[in-house]
Amino acid sequence: KAGVTQTPRYLIKTRGQQVTLSCSPISGHRSVSWYQQTPGQGLQFLFEYFSETQRNKGNFPGRFSGRQFSNSRSEMNVSTLELGDSALYLCASSLGGGTQETQYFGPGTRLLVL
Amino acid sequence: DAKTTQPPSMDCAEGRAANLPCNHSTISGNEYVYWYRQIHSQGPQYIIHGLKNNETNEMASLIITEDRKSSTLILPHATLRDTAVYYCIVRPDNYGQNFVFGPGTRLSVLP
Repeated sequence: KAGVTQTPRYLIKTRGQQVTLSCSPISGHRSVSWYQQTPGQGLQFLFEYFSETQRNKGNFPGRFSGRQFSNSRSEMNVSTLELGDSALYLCASSLGGGTQETQYFGPGTRLLVL
Repeated sequence: DAKTTQPPSMDCAEGRAANLPCNHSTISGNEYVYWYRQIHSQGPQYIIHGLKNNETNEMASLIITEDRKSSTLILPHATLRDTAVYYCIVRPDNYGQNFVFGPGTRLSVLP
C-alpha cells in the first residue's frame, strides 16, 4: 500500500498570503489528522477529520482550517500568514481514529513564511 | 501537556542495544503506550505500541512494567540509521483524540 502523501513538499509564502496544503491518506483510512511542528513548540495537534467532519480540534486560531473530501483526502488552509506559521505541517491517517489504531504520518510540507 | 517523561538525549554505540526509558505514571487502564521516531525533520515513523504485555516486532521491543507506570523501548542492535528523536506517547482512550507529543529523546548512535 502507498503511504500517506502530502503536497507540496516545500512552500514559500509571504506574510498576509494564504496557503492550502493537501494530504492523501493511506487507502482505506478514513481519519486524517494534521499537526504543526516548530522548533519552539514541537509537534502540536491542529485538527482531525473523519467522514468529512471535523471531530477534534487543537488550540489554534481560526486562521487555521481544514476540510475532508468524500474520498478521505484532506486539505488544510492557513489564511493571513504570519512569520510564526513557518513550520513543518504533518498529516497522519488511521482507519477510523480509534484508540487501538495507529496513525501513520506523511513526509510533511515545509512552509516558510517571509 | 504530554503525559510522559523521557530523557532529553542518549548515546548508544553502534551494534549495541539501545534502551530508551519512558515514565507515564498517570496512565489510565485503557490507554496505550505508543512509540514513534523522527529522523531529521521527516514525518514521524511508527515503531510499536502496547497496553499491558510486552511487545516485539521487526523494529523493536517494548517492555511495560507491571504497574504500567513506565516502559522501555529496546532497539536490539542499533545502527547509525537509528539516530533520531524517539517519542513515547500515551494515547487517550476516546475516539477522536490524538497524540500529544512531548520533546522526546534524541538518540545518537555513535560509530
